[in-house]
Amino acid sequence: DVKVTQSSRYLVKRTGEKVFLECVQDMDHENMFWYRQDPGLGLRLIYFSYDVKMKEKGDIPEGYSVSREKKERFSLILESASTNQTSMYLCASLSDPYEQYFGPGTRLTVT
Amino acid sequence: ELKVEQNPLFLSMQEGKNYTIYCNYSTTSDRLYWYRQDPGKSLESLFVLLSNGAVKQEGRLMASLDTKARLSTLHITAAVHDLSATYFCAVDSGSRLTFGEGTQLTVNP
Repeated sequence: DVKVTQSSRYLVKRTGEKVFLECVQDMDHENMFWYRQDPGLGLRLIYFSYDVKMKEKGDIPEGYSVSREKKERFSLILESASTNQTSMYLCASLSDPYEQYFGPGTRLTVT
Repeated sequence: ELKVEQNPLFLSMQEGKNYTIYCNYSTTSDRLYWYRQDPGKSLESLFVLLSNGAVKQEGRLMASLDTKARLSTLHITAAVHDLSATYFCAVDSGSRLTFGEGTQLTVNP
């Protein structure tokens, strides 16, 4: 079974802190994704990556950056957390043919 | 810009009844996905539909895809309480997915 893990299930941070969300997949997938999920807005794509050191902006990249130094790990970085970044963050990786597997999610609260 | 619309967004039904959730999308795509999400949990893959006319069934759920109409349906047969969850469709637009808003399904005894 494909396994996608995220570093934390719940996280509480203060406004202005730098926040790292880690995602690791164990199936050698090239494509990885970060989404946020908010009530009434569904899932929105923040960033995705096709390969190591490659990244592409999704629909809502503002306030976020990403890092992909190794194939199995895709990190989402909030440079200076703000309260409007309180959300559920979901990481996913893409198999061939084209099925996305999701991690368990990180519920981030910024106070 | 690809838009994906689901309806209904909220569905309350009785056990034993049948119902259909609809997923419409705005641009051409040959791949469509259905996911289930339980409260506080992540998304679980239900179906991957890869061509026009594709039909897949698992238990009481059946999904179909009509790429010409840009429409997918998720049909629920003889609903049971365990099917209560939020169901998302997602459309592939070049190795990235665009999600519908989700349909929150509640099955009442």
